[in-house]
Amino acid sequence: DQQVKQNSPSLSVQEGRISILNCDYTNSMFDYFLWYKKYPAEGPTFLISISSIKDKNEDGRFTVFLNKSAKHLSLHIVPSQPGDSAVYFCAAMGNTDKLIFGTGTRLQVFP
Amino acid sequence: NAGVTQTPKFRVLKTGQSMTLLCAQDMNHEYMYWYRQDPGMGLRLIHYSVGEGTTAKGEVPDGYNVSRLKKQNFLLGLESAAPSQTSVYFCASRRQGWEDGYTFGSGTRLTVV
Repeated sequence: DQQVKQNSPSLSVQEGRISILNCDYTNSMFDYFLWYKKYPAEGPTFLISISSIKDKNEDGRFTVFLNKSAKHLSLHIVPSQPGDSAVYFCAAMGNTDKLIFGTGTRLQVFP
Repeated sequence: NAGVTQTPKFRVLKTGQSMTLLCAQDMNHEYMYWYRQDPGMGLRLIHYSVGEGTTAKGEVPDGYNVSRLKKQNFLLGLESAAPSQTSVYFCASRRQGWEDGYTFGSGTRLTVV
């Protein structure tokens, strides 16, 4: 029973273009949503977050959009850079102190 | 500032052996977590702790035990290792509040043969 789903295992984008990573969730009790980036042989690193009271949060090249009615969020990276190539995890938290992760999307940015 | 430190980084165990993975954080965080990462499965929560002396089960707790005797340390134990426990294990911690998310360690790659 996957409460947080990332249906695209991989994504390939040209440098300078926009990368859009998608995430769906099933639990309407989730209040907070986070994106993590992970390089091989390293731990995940926090990227950006959003509360359910907002529909957009921006931090430099990274923007997260939340559509509560559709139970969908997305991460936009503009412009994409080769250093953005990594696995991106979507995660969600309700009132249970536990972060539930999706299965990840591998992003490759090519020149 | 070390953040979250996991030891060891790599380990090979034989089926039935036991071992303890150590997680240490120097950020005075209240909450600590153990996750495992498997191909196609994402990160799944094993056990977690909301403060010194507390522990709770996550999504996949079977075959593991934990202890949080000191605030800065969170230990994950495997009493009798099985090949199904071959995985990469990540420890994480966070302060009160959620905005900054979790801080993760660099992981322990465990192989059970």
